[in-house]
Amino acid sequence: QKEVEQNSGPLSVPEGAIASLNCTYSDRGSQSFFWYRQYSGKSPELIMFIYSNGDKEDGRFTAQLNKASQYVSLLIRDSQPSDSATYLCAVKLTGGGNKLTFGTGTQLKVEL
Amino acid sequence: NAGVTQTPKFQVLKTGQSMTLQCAQDMNHNSMYWYRQDPGMGLRLIYYSASEGTTDKGEVPNGYNVSRLNKREFSLRLESAAPSQTSVYFCASSEGTIKETQYFGPGTRLLVL
Repeated sequence: QKEVEQNSGPLSVPEGAIASLNCTYSDRGSQSFFWYRQYSGKSPELIMFIYSNGDKEDGRFTAQLNKASQYVSLLIRDSQPSDSATYLCAVKLTGGGNKLTFGTGTQLKVEL
Repeated sequence: NAGVTQTPKFQVLKTGQSMTLQCAQDMNHNSMYWYRQDPGMGLRLIYYSASEGTTDKGEVPNGYNVSRLNKREFSLRLESAAPSQTSVYFCASSEGTIKETQYFGPGTRLLVL
């Protein structure tokens, strides 16, 4: 089992819809969770981080964390074509120091 | 602030050649990281430096060496390049606290023939 798992996609949603991206992790003791967005040919950029169970909202983005079920998700409301990118989930695993472990990413396509 | 900078942006090497990838950050971050990214493999950690003067191996360190020159700079060296090292290399930095947020440089595309 991979430490951080994501469905590679592509996930296709129509413009204006809600995109839901999911990530599961194996380490029950993990404390910090991050979502990065990566456009093709570019470097990853941080979208959101979440540390506590529940929801965290920032504009059109909502991160959801459920430590009991060991998953973290990212919701994108009113999806726009500019949201088309690969979304990387990253987790700070217990005993990993300050290192982040990344999932392989989910490709999102927002269609007109 | 430039954030995290990397040089070169693109490089072609022949098998067996050596080169050094440079990385610098101006955010006064304690920790710095080198990743490689290959299709379908995600970001894999090569080496990292938790603080100035320390370096540690990551997930895929074989064939690489690093130097934390000072707090700002962290270089990655390929002593004898192999085609398997064809990849995109990203440098990142962070404050190095428990609430870790890493900031990435623009990347270096390396092709080994």
